[in-house]
Amino acid sequence: DAKTTQPNSMESNEEEPVHLPCNHSTISGTDYIHWYRQLPSQGPEYVIHGLTSNVNNRMASLAIAEDRKSSTLILHRATLRDAAVYYCILRYTGTASKLTFGTGTRLQVTL
Amino acid sequence: NAGVMQNPRHLVRRRGQEARLRCSPMKGHSHVYWYRQLPEEGLKFMVYLQKENIIDESGMPKERFSAEFPKEGPSILRIQQVVRGDSAAYFCASSPTGRVSDYGYTFGSGTRLTVV
Repeated sequence: DAKTTQPNSMESNEEEPVHLPCNHSTISGTDYIHWYRQLPSQGPEYVIHGLTSNVNNRMASLAIAEDRKSSTLILHRATLRDAAVYYCILRYTGTASKLTFGTGTRLQVTL
Repeated sequence: NAGVMQNPRHLVRRRGQEARLRCSPMKGHSHVYWYRQLPEEGLKFMVYLQKENIIDESGMPKERFSAEFPKEGPSILRIQQVVRGDSAAYFCASSPTGRVSDYGYTFGSGTRLTVV
């Protein structure tokens, strides 16, 4: 599996935008970029995914670099409920397959 | 539309007993994945199953652990002769059949196993 690199932790103020970076320099053309988050004492939650183009949904936006070697998850207005560990995962598009979680970025949101 | 259901939420077992963890995937999902999360650690893949088939068990310990996903009923993760090191949160995820580009996985709330 191609590897991703994320900062261990980040802090944000409530109601400010948050940009969570992810490097994936060995990404292949068939890898989708997936983001999940895990709130305390809960299971992981799907956030967003994309291949080449930027993506938006009700939770977040995903900005993908032109060379696809990095991406950024954007939370437009962080709230206290967004405090979680955020995981950037590459997923092979060929068949249904496992997700391989790294250590993720622990996001702290303060008032 | 119920999500992925795992039960029990909490399970306490004495050393040497068996633990059975259940996972009912989302309606219409035929792929199930089990993950383990040790305290203060990340999620580790254990096994991937489709109905009546084990597709990938590369993350399963070689002894004491087994998993099944029968034609009818939930997927079961079974741990025999539990030891203290098995204490962890066990999460199940499900996904539908089809183009993997179209969806994310849905996870359950997990079963927290404590071995005393």
